[in-house]
Amino acid sequence: DTEVTQTPKHLVMGMTNKKSLKCEQHMGHRAMYWYKQKAKKPPELMFVYSYEKLSINESVPSRFSPECPNSSLLNLHLHALQPEDSALYLCASSRNSGWDIQYFGAGTRLSVL
Amino acid sequence: GENVEQHPSTLSVQEGDSAVIKCTYSDSASNYFPWYKQELGKRPQLIIDIRSNVGEKKDQRIAVTLNKTAKHFSLHITETQPEDSAVYFCAASPNNAGNMLTFGGGTRLMVKP
Repeated sequence: DTEVTQTPKHLVMGMTNKKSLKCEQHMGHRAMYWYKQKAKKPPELMFVYSYEKLSINESVPSRFSPECPNSSLLNLHLHALQPEDSALYLCASSRNSGWDIQYFGAGTRLSVL
Repeated sequence: GENVEQHPSTLSVQEGDSAVIKCTYSDSASNYFPWYKQELGKRPQLIIDIRSNVGEKKDQRIAVTLNKTAKHFSLHITETQPEDSAVYFCAASPNNAGNMLTFGGGTRLMVKP
């Protein structure tokens, strides 16, 4: 099973809302990632968790707050977002944080009004 | 940090022809180079990857070549089929940054039947 599951598939939120994106994998992977992908652009790395600890934060604004409750789950908490934050948010996982294949979820398409 | 340039941005070929996509990278410490295929509205999926200790890797109709001296790598697809139509992304990961992928800008490949 190489499935990374993301919920919800679509999310519309206002700039004052608080929402969360969820990502789950059951492949026993110990590294998980959040990427942001704007239309017709490549994925851009936001955060990396390795063994449930945040190892990389690519200078992402504090209105994005990641959380890794356990080795199978990764959340991205959203608060006070801006319209320019509208994008596809992709979660990925890999066996570890070395040079292992990253498996991507289908993403959450976020619209901020 | 790493910078990955990808060319061409669009590529149109006739079914059965070959397609070549080229990428250059800036960080000589990069040692892992995956290629992802992303169909419209779907998740990126790994199609092939190569590590710096190998100059070429082939998987059926797909091959990747790596020139570490020149800091460039290429994707070759032979006998293209309509289902190969998608956006292809190259990526690079430096040796000292775990699995932190930097993606190229993407190539939209269109295979005409």
